Amino acid sequence: DAGVIQSPRHEVTEMGQEVTLRCKPISGHNSLFWYRQTMMRGLELLIYFNNNVPIDDSGMPEDRFSAKMPNASFSTLKIQPSEPRDSAVYFCASSPLAGTYYEQYFGPGTRLTVT
Amino acid sequence: AQSVTQPDIHITVSEGASLELRCNYSYGATPYLFWYVQSPGQGLQLLLKYFSGDTLVQGIKGFEAEFKRSQSSFNLRKPSVHWSDAAEYFCAVETSPNDYKLSFGAGTTVTVRA
Repeated sequence: DAGVIQSPRHEVTEMGQEVTLRCKPISGHNSLFWYRQTMMRGLELLIYFNNNVPIDDSGMPEDRFSAKMPNASFSTLKIQPSEPRDSAVYFCASSPLAGTYYEQYFGPGTRLTVT
Repeated sequence: AQSVTQPDIHITVSEGASLELRCNYSYGATPYLFWYVQSPGQGLQLLLKYFSGDTLVQGIKGFEAEFKRSQSSFNLRKPSVHWSDAAEYFCAVETSPNDYKLSFGAGTTVTVRA
């Protein structure tokens, strides 16, 4: 299996622009997680999907952030408008079935820089 | 709420020497514990996990960890480090099957000197 695939790997954008991050989970996994990693706050869970349905988005920083999972093989995280404080590495992870102690498999991340 | 503490921000170890990374958790019941490794520019990879049973668990890359309930600890060890072990290591806890969230520690960066 190719593992969790994220694109782009790097994104540089200007403040105010819309940014879309993409994730393809491992085939057969039905849970998907979006994380943000910064030096100040470490790894933070933003949102979690189970069977394409958002279960908990309490970690999403604010309304500028939105996430979708239109099917089992694709998810997006959108920031509109972007701000410099959104600069971070965003990870997507998938799991066979959350809630049964299965480990999460992480993608390589998208490094976002907002200038 | 559960929390995870990794007391050491940075550890430097000589190649071939032993390594121990500390992890303490705060939770009333037995948590489900994980160690992940993150190489530069990469995502996190699971090293090992503890759910129940034998408190000494073996993982990949020659790592092991021991769960000690009395000390609320889950320390990671490797008898002899290789230069390729230079990375950042994260301890994480999941508290129950209904709590899918992983709480991560702040991480420990390991530098391996020749």
